[in-house]
Amino acid sequence: SQQGEEDPQALSIQEGENATMNCSYKTSINNLQWYRQNSGRGLVHLILIRSNEREKHSGRLRVTLDTSKKSSSLLITASRAADTASYFCATETSYDKVIFGPGTSLSVIP
Amino acid sequence: GAVVSQHPSWVICKSGTSVKIECRSLDFQATTMFWYRQFPKQSLMLMATSNEGSKATYEQGVEKDKFLINHASLTLSTLTVTSAHPEDSSFYICSAKFYRGLSNTGELFFGEGSRLTVL
Repeated sequence: SQQGEEDPQALSIQEGENATMNCSYKTSINNLQWYRQNSGRGLVHLILIRSNEREKHSGRLRVTLDTSKKSSSLLITASRAADTASYFCATETSYDKVIFGPGTSLSVIP
Repeated sequence: GAVVSQHPSWVICKSGTSVKIECRSLDFQATTMFWYRQFPKQSLMLMATSNEGSKATYEQGVEKDKFLINHASLTLSTLTVTSAHPEDSSFYICSAKFYRGLSNTGELFFGEGSRLTVL
């Protein structure tokens, strides 16, 4: 099963620009998490935002959560070529399961 | 941080054989582990929740007789793909939830994944 949508599906930007990815979900959640995956590899946890939080920062990452709209955004500032990867949002429901969105493929061009 | 180890990282097998994939939490105990499946250029699809000492909970559409899950200890869960066929070729990823202190919010740590190719 999957939760909602992510947009854009693919994003290509120049190094130094900001990248914004959006995620929507369908059910009520305990928290929302963002993960990164390099091609063919496992996932790396980036940031977790609880359902009672609206914004969170971690280094160059900024995550927002709007529970009324059931949506979240991930902003990567001053992007680098090394940020090229797929990014997934994942929601944890009251059943303790973590469900992933379809993901955004980010390409940062040097 | 917590480490989850998955083995093997890749496996090639003939159609009709069974393949076992192990998922271990190396420095913490995990009463719950999750198994995901990922096709190329797609997202992770939750297959089942593995509970230590009890039966796994499978997601709708996942054949429990096809994908056998055993969570015999607090640090090990195994996924066995029985009588594998080419359509079972995929990237299988496990994860375990790690709770810091008394926090009720656990963080998922993922294994590096196991790429299964069925010929």
